[in-house]
Amino acid sequence: QKEVEQNSGPLSVPEGAIASLNCTYSDRGSQSFFWYRQYSGKSPELIMSIYSNGDKEDGRFTAQLNKASQYVSLLIRDSQPSDSATYLCAVKRAGNNRKLIWGLGTSLAVNP
Amino acid sequence: DTEVTQTPKHLVMGMTNKKSLKCEQHMGHRAMYWYKQKAKKPPELMFVYSYEKLSINESVPSRFSPECPNSSLLNLHLHALQPEDSALYLCASSLLGIAGGGTGELFFGEGSRLTVL
Repeated sequence: QKEVEQNSGPLSVPEGAIASLNCTYSDRGSQSFFWYRQYSGKSPELIMSIYSNGDKEDGRFTAQLNKASQYVSLLIRDSQPSDSATYLCAVKRAGNNRKLIWGLGTSLAVNP
Repeated sequence: DTEVTQTPKHLVMGMTNKKSLKCEQHMGHRAMYWYKQKAKKPPELMFVYSYEKLSINESVPSRFSPECPNSSLLNLHLHALQPEDSALYLCASSLLGIAGGGTGELFFGEGSRLTVL
């Protein structure tokens, strides 16, 4: 089992719809969770971080964390073609080794 | 200034060359990172400097040599690379040092795309 798992996609949604991206993790002691967006040929960009159970909203983005079920999700409301990118889930382990563990990413395509 | 600046953007080198990648940030961030990324893969951590000290070396081959001259600058010296080292090399920074838990919220530069012939 990979430490951080995401569906590779592509996830295809029509413009204006809600895109739902999911991520599960195996280390129950993980503390911090991040969503990065990466456009093709560009570098990753942090779009959301979440540390506590529940929802965190920032504009059209909502991150949801459920530590009991070990999943974190990202909802993108009113999806735009400019949201088409790969979304990387990253999890920070507990303990002394505080590396980020990355998922393989989910490719999102928003169709006009 | 909220940028991490990397130079050069593109680099082509032979297996016997010596070259360097440079990274600069003026955000007062206390940790700086080198990542390597291959196509359709997530970033792969190479090195972390926290408060200008090398804190993490992910068993990277010695043909890659990091250097942190000061809190704003990070270099990656390259020597005798192999074609399989061709990748996008990403520099990142975080506000907090490693001990402060600052390894999650990363600011990435645009990357240096390296091709080894």
